[in-house]
Amino acid sequence: SQTIHQWPATLVQPVGSPLSLECTVEGTSNPNLYWYRQAAGRGLQLLFYSVGIGQISSEVPQNLSASRPQDRQFILSSKKLLLSDSGFYLCAWSAFGDEQYFGPGTRLTVT
Amino acid sequence: GENVEQHPSTLSVQEGDSAVIKCTYSDSASNYFPWYKQELGKGPQLIIDIRSNVGEKKDQRIAVTLNKTAKHFSLHITETQPEDSAVYFCAGAWTGGGADGLTFGKGTHLIIQP
Repeated sequence: SQTIHQWPATLVQPVGSPLSLECTVEGTSNPNLYWYRQAAGRGLQLLFYSVGIGQISSEVPQNLSASRPQDRQFILSSKKLLLSDSGFYLCAWSAFGDEQYFGPGTRLTVT
Repeated sequence: GENVEQHPSTLSVQEGDSAVIKCTYSDSASNYFPWYKQELGKGPQLIIDIRSNVGEKKDQRIAVTLNKTAKHFSLHITETQPEDSAVYFCAGAWTGGGADGLTFGKGTHLIIQP
């Protein structure tokens, strides 16, 4: 069966510091991968998606970037965090672009 | 772009009663409509979905209905139980069957009163 992992689970970082969140998927090949952000009490906002290694599409202009160095690895990064980057970051995967399955999430607090 | 409106934002029902959450969408090209349940501090869990060529789908106590003409779809939970308490999100996909990602409603906090 397929599983999706995210780490770290929680992170507290000062403003201006760099960020690296990692997501890996097991049990499937060539998945579509997604990064979403969920602000407190709000819905999920799509940040990036990838249909293959090195292929990244961005949905909103922001302080963040994404990379896919391996087939089942998706990384969310920032060079300098802003207070507004705080939130719950969720990685998701899908096999054929329909059903999406989410990881456990990373709670990021920028102080 | 696509817009998904979800109502109500909070829903409180007595245990054993039914709960209904409604969503509307603006892009008639939408073809896939999933529902997710999110418990506190966890990632959303896919609980049921429906495609545009189907009007209703059921899975035990949960069902989803789709009205393409009116551009709305609803989640129905019958015989609610305490473990149904969570935040529920509807979503829609219209480009590439969702390969470009989903657009989510803002969520409904469902509270089951004992």
